[in-house]
This record gives sequence, C-alpha cells and structure tokens, in this order.
Amino acid sequence: DIQMTQSPSSLSASVGDRVTITCQASQDISNYLNWYQQKPGKAPKLLIYDASNLETGVPSRFSGSGSGTDFTFTISSLQPEDIATYYCQQYDNPALTFGGGTKVEIK
Amino acid sequence: EVQLVESGGGLVKPGGSLRLSCAASGFTFSSYSMNWVRQAPGKGLEWVSSISSSSSYIYYADSVKGRFTISRDNAKNSLYLQMNSLRAEDTAVYYCARGVVGNRRIDYWGQGTLVTVSS
Repeated sequence: DIQMTQSPSSLSASVGDRVTITCQASQDISNYLNWYQQKPGKAPKLLIYDASNLETGVPSRFSGSGSGTDFTFTISSLQPEDIATYYCQQYDNPALTFGGGTKVEIK
Repeated sequence: EVQLVESGGGLVKPGGSLRLSCAASGFTFSSYSMNWVRQAPGKGLEWVSSISSSSSYIYYADSVKGRFTISRDNAKNSLYLQMNSLRAEDTAVYYCARGVVGNRRIDYWGQGTLVTVSS
C-alpha cells in the first residue's frame, strides 16, 4: 500500500501570506495526486487534480506542483475564506488514499 | 447541477446493521464509478468502498471488508451501502462521492450522513 505523508498538520498565517503544504508518497505515483479543501461542517471540494491542474471555477491563487513522490500545494495569497482543512489524495488502484490533512487558520 | 443526497444514517448499537442510500441527480449516473468515503469525528478522510458504473468491479477498504456491501441501482439513480456487524470505530460521517477518470479522483461529494455506533 502507498502511504501519503502530509505536512504540516496545521498552520497559522496572516491574510495575504503565501501558504505551502507538502505531501510525500511512499513510492512513485507519477502525477496522480489531487488536492481537496474541506471547510468546517462541509463536504470536501476538489481544487487541484493530477498534481497541477486547477479544477474549473477554483481561484487562481491555488496551485499545485510535483511528480513522483514529492508534491506541493500553494495558496499564493491567503484569504479569510480559505480557512479550511486541505487533503492530498492519491490513487492506489483500486483504493483512494488521503493524506492526514492540514488545518489552515488565520493568525 | 450534480446532486448527491445521502440518507439512512443514525444511532445503532454495536453489532447492529444500517443501510445507507445516496440519491443522484443532474448527471448520467450509470456512466460513473461511485464511492463511499467516511470521516470519523475530528479525523481525516477514509475511503470505504467503490463500485464501477455497471457494478462489474467492487472494492473495499480492509477495515470494512466482509462487513459492508456496496451496491447500486442505475434504474433508480441510487447508490447503497449495507453495513453489518457495526463497531464503535465505524462512527463517522459517510459521504457518497462520484469518481472520474477511472475513479482516480472524486469530483462531487454529497453532504454526508452521520452514523453513530454506540450502546
């Protein structure tokens, strides 16, 4: 089974700050890495697919990069509405495996 | 507009059973793989089970294998999860979710239904 290590588990940043979250796979997963946003009490929402592709309608301040085992998710300028927990997810045929999540708060 | 609406959650005693349903609308249900993903209170996301568009391929997480059964009725645009031999650790919000691109990712989620296993 492929393990996903996501870090940090939480972070606090100011409005306008650049925020970076990393996800590391235990083996090469090519670019099969997706990122989701989950606001409190809500279902997750797909933001980035295949490591770097922005889902339709998602603001351009969100971006992703990486391939192989190391991936990065970035919010270029943190906004108050970005307060949420973010999860990476990879496809370990046939299972979907999620990272542990990163809770983003406003400082 | 794609909509996924779960129902059937509730309080059940350890060892009991529960059947979750998910009503789909706004897309051609029979063309998509579907998943159940759960989230224990205050915890992260855990994939539970998936079923291919024609029910030919069915998969389970090891944590539920032999106790849970996923099924679908394409004529009724509905997804189901039969949960037997429930344990306290099955307590979670259960989400119905649509898979795309060979089920490599989930593009739509329902609002979730809470299952509580407690005596």
